[in-house]
Amino acid sequence: LAKTTQPISMDSYEGQEVNITCSHNNIATNDYITWYQQFPSQGPRFIIQGYKTKVTNEVASLFIPADRKSSTLSLPRVSLSDTAVYYCLVGDPNSGGYQKVTFGTGTKLQVIP
Amino acid sequence: EAGVVQSPRYKIIEKKQPVAFWCNPISGHNTLYWYRQNLGQGPELLIRYENEEAVDDSQLPKDRFSAERLKGVDSTLKIQPAELGDSAVYLCASSNRGRAKNIQYFGAGTRLSVL
Repeated sequence: LAKTTQPISMDSYEGQEVNITCSHNNIATNDYITWYQQFPSQGPRFIIQGYKTKVTNEVASLFIPADRKSSTLSLPRVSLSDTAVYYCLVGDPNSGGYQKVTFGTGTKLQVIP
Repeated sequence: EAGVVQSPRYKIIEKKQPVAFWCNPISGHNTLYWYRQNLGQGPELLIRYENEEAVDDSQLPKDRFSAERLKGVDSTLKIQPAELGDSAVYLCASSNRGRAKNIQYFGAGTRLSVL
């Protein structure tokens, strides 16, 4: 199963764009990349998922280069409410491929006023 | 649509006591997960159910932990006896492998403190 590596923490000022990169060098052909957000005292919440190129929704964008060995979660114009821990997961959703995936420690984003 | 419901939200017990957590997944979700999250760490999978069958329990400490998912809906996770190191947040999640690329939806968790 693909292992992921993310920065432990990041700081950003309000209104800035934040990019969090995740490395997954041994991603498999059928693997998707999924990002979750977790606030204190809550369970993780799905943000975005992608397979290749670019995916955008109302919350974030996900950029995946052609080799798929990394991905970048982009949060436009962050606010204080975006302060949270962000997790990158890699797995094959069609085969229950998340069964042994751990979330790792994630990236703790601190948004500064 | 109701989300994943867990109870209780908090539980404080003394070591060697038993404890149980309950989870009601999103209606129609056939996959159910139990995770344990220690302070400052990401969730770690304990067990995964496909309907009523436990398909992956390799991370479950079977000497003291047990789980069941009767009729493929609600699930309970039990610890007996609890140890100090079991203090953590226990998260339940559910997903539907047939739809939405198996995205997991999490409950708010149960925070367990073992004294």
